Order: sequence, then C-alpha cells, then structure tokens
Amino acid sequence: QKEVEQDPGPLSVPEGAIVSLNCTYSNSAFQYFMWYRQYSRKGPELLMYTYSSGNKEDGRFTAQVDKSSKYISLFIRDSQPSDSATYLCAMSGAGGSYIPTFGRGTSLIVHP
Amino acid sequence: NAGVTQTPKFQVLKTGQSMTLQCAQDMNHNSMYWYRQDPGMGLRLIYYSASEGTTDKGEVPNGYNVSRLNKREFSLRLESAAPSQTSVYFCASREGSEQFFGPGTRLTVL
Repeated sequence: QKEVEQDPGPLSVPEGAIVSLNCTYSNSAFQYFMWYRQYSRKGPELLMYTYSSGNKEDGRFTAQVDKSSKYISLFIRDSQPSDSATYLCAMSGAGGSYIPTFGRGTSLIVHP
Repeated sequence: NAGVTQTPKFQVLKTGQSMTLQCAQDMNHNSMYWYRQDPGMGLRLIYYSASEGTTDKGEVPNGYNVSRLNKREFSLRLESAAPSQTSVYFCASREGSEQFFGPGTRLTVL
C-alpha cells in the first residue's frame, strides 16, 4: 500500500459543478497537507496548504483535512473549464528534512 | 524573478549516452529537489539538497548523480542513459512548506 492514495480519474464534470477531489494516507506523522495544480506540459504549482486538521478556504477552493480518518479533500465550487488540470495532493511531517510525499494526481476535465 | 528555470526543455538520447540537466533558482532558497514524473506514478524524488554543499538520495536515485554547484544551481547527471529513464524531470526549490517547480525537461532515451 502506498503512503498516499489518490484516484487518477479522469473526473469529467460540467461547467458550474462542485468538484470533490480526495486523498487518503497511512502515515499518522503527516502534519502539512498541500494541493498542487498541474496544467498539461507545465510544472505543478501550489494551490492550497493546510497545517494539521481543519478547513481552509480561498475563493472557489476549500481544502479539508480529517486526520482522524487520514483523509484530505479539495472542493472546487462553480468549476470552470480553466480548472481542467491534474491535481496532486502532497503531505509531509514536521521537523527534519522537508520531503513531501505526493499522490499520483487526479485528472479533472471541466467541459463547457 | 524568473523563479525556477530548467534546461534543456526537450532531449533525446541514445542508450549509453550521458547528459546533465541544469536547474537554477533566483529566490534565494536553501532547499532544492529533483523529481521524475511518469504516467500513473506521480512525482518521485530522485535527489534533494537541503542546503548548499549537501545532497541526499530520494526514492529513486539509481542511475543518477547530482551536484549542488552553489545556492542557485542544482544539476542532475545521467552517466549512462537507459530507456527506463525516459520521463519528465522537474526541479523544485522550497520556501517553508511551498515548493516551486520548474517547467520540466522531457527526456526520451532510445
């Protein structure tokens, strides 16, 4: 079992839909939880970052962490075709060298 | 600020050839990383450098070497390329919990 599991998709939704992207993990030492967005043929870019449990909102994006279930989510409201990309979750422990563990990424397609 | 730059953008090698992938960052970050990304495999860490003068192996270091030339530059060398090294290679630098990625190098080994 990989430390971080993420369904690769693709996930296809109509414009305006609410999108839910998820990752599960097995390492209880993870404290930092990140979501990166990667457009085709580009490098990943940080979208959201959460420390420990709870929710964080930024515009149309909400990141949620449930450490008791070892489950993190990214919600996208009012999805747009420009949101079409691969979304990678990443997580890391506190202290020591910062070496995040990445999920495989979920491909999202938002069609007009 | 250019951020993280990588050269070349594309490269085709024959089995057994060697090459060096270059990476530079202008954000004064201490930590730098090299990843490879293969379909369905996500990002896998090859090597990282926590600070100038130090390097450490990641998840998949075999067949690669690195040099942290100075604070700005972190190069990845393939001494004898193999078809299994066909991949997209990303360099990244880090500030806090955020990694900044370069645009990638697409490498094909025939």
